[in-house]
Amino acid sequence: AQTVTQSQPEMSVQEAETVTLSCTYDTSESDYYLFWYKQPPSRQMILVIRQEAYKQQNATENRFSVNFQKAAKSFSLKISDSQLGDAAMYFCAYRGGRKGGGSNYKLTFGKGTLLTVNP
Amino acid sequence: EAGVVQSPRYKIIEKKQPVAFWCNPISGHNTLYWYLQNLGQGPELLIRYENEEAVDDSQLPKDRFSAERLKGVDSTLKIQPAELGDSAVYLCASSPLAGAIPGELFFGEGSRLTVL
Repeated sequence: AQTVTQSQPEMSVQEAETVTLSCTYDTSESDYYLFWYKQPPSRQMILVIRQEAYKQQNATENRFSVNFQKAAKSFSLKISDSQLGDAAMYFCAYRGGRKGGGSNYKLTFGKGTLLTVNP
Repeated sequence: EAGVVQSPRYKIIEKKQPVAFWCNPISGHNTLYWYLQNLGQGPELLIRYENEEAVDDSQLPKDRFSAERLKGVDSTLKIQPAELGDSAVYLCASSPLAGAIPGELFFGEGSRLTVL
């Protein structure tokens, strides 16, 4: 079974600074997808960024970027120019590829990293 | 466009009582998910529907949990009887089609259950 590990229960960053959240995963598949989701307090979870395993280029979405190291099974999230609105719980998630069939379609989440942004 | 709607947002019950949660997905989304989120943990899948068919319910504790998605739109998750350990947030999410190149899962705000 796939597992996702987030080793940082909490992180803090000063406003306008850069922070990196870590994630490692375990899988025997070669085709899969990785995600970072953001869950603000008492609000719904939203997708921040997605990475397809077959793509070597790291995904970027505005101030959010990832460092995808497939051989090391590492998938970290970098938030640049941190803003107060970035404060939230961040979840790393894994989803298998289509070759694995329907059982691959669920998201497996890590335990999350609580990010605090200090003004 | 309306997002995923869940109700109730909060529910407090005594153990052994029944409880039901309702979810209305985004219009046109074929796939619906129920996730369980314990305090300080990531969400865990309980059941996934493709239209009205439950295609993955392997993590649903079937002795006390049940779910349905009549007509492939709204869904209800029921617990009967509730136990203390069921206190958690129950998240509903939807997506256009699980088997396609994965886009976002759109989550509701969740239903927070407290069992006393």
